[in-house]
Amino acid sequence: AQKITQTQPGMFVQEKEAVTLDCTYDTSDPSYGLFWYKQPSSGEMIFLIYQGSYDQQNATEGRYSLNFQKARKSANLVISASQLGDSAMYFCAMRENIYNQGGKLIFGQGTELSVKP
Amino acid sequence: NAGVTQTPKFQVLKTGQSMTLQCAQDMNHEYMSWYRQDPGMGLRLIHYSVGAGITDQGEVPNGYNVSRSTTEDFPLRLLSAAPSQTSVYFCASSYDHTDTQYFGPGTRLTVL
Repeated sequence: AQKITQTQPGMFVQEKEAVTLDCTYDTSDPSYGLFWYKQPSSGEMIFLIYQGSYDQQNATEGRYSLNFQKARKSANLVISASQLGDSAMYFCAMRENIYNQGGKLIFGQGTELSVKP
Repeated sequence: NAGVTQTPKFQVLKTGQSMTLQCAQDMNHEYMSWYRQDPGMGLRLIHYSVGAGITDQGEVPNGYNVSRSTTEDFPLRLLSAAPSQTSVYFCASSYDHTDTQYFGPGTRLTVL
C-alpha cells in the first residue's frame, strides 16, 4: 500500500493566486514527520516545510503553509501568492519514528505545478 | 559550508561496469542516505547510514553497496551496472531532531 499519496500529477495556477497541493499519508506510528520538497527543472531538491505529528499548530514558512489534518491523515501544502518561480515538481514525504535517526524518508510521486502569467 | 556535494554530475556506463558515486557533507550530520529518482516513481531509498560504521538497506538496495568509514563521506557503489540502474541519484543528510534532510545536486547515470 502507498504510504504517501499525491493525487494531482499536474496543476495549473494563475500568478498571484493561492494553490493547494494535496498529500495523504498512511502510518500507524504515532511519531512521524511530514515534509515538502520542491524540485525545479534544474533538478535539485529544495526543502520547503516540515510538520511533526505532535505539533499543535500548522507549520508556516513564508509563503508556504502546511494544512495538517491529523485525523484525516492529510498534509496539504498551500502556496500563497504564486510566483512564476514556483513552477516546479513538489514532493510530499514522510518519516516515521521521527525521534530516532533510523527513520526512513518515504516520498510521494510528486505534483507538477505550473504557474501561468 | 558546501553542504552536500556529489560527484560526478553525469556518468555513462556500459552494462557490467562498476563505479562509485561520491557523496560528502561538511555539516557534521550523522544521518546520510542515497535515493534514486525514476520518472513517475518519486524518490526511493537505496541505502542509509545513521553514523560512521553503520549502514542499512532501504527500499531498493539490490545491485548497490555502501560503506561509511567517516562521518563526512557516504559513497555508493554499483558493482555491475545494469540498464535498470539508469536513474538520477541523490545523496542526502540530516542532523537535527526534526530530521530534515538536505539533498545534494544529484548524479544523472545512464547505463547502456
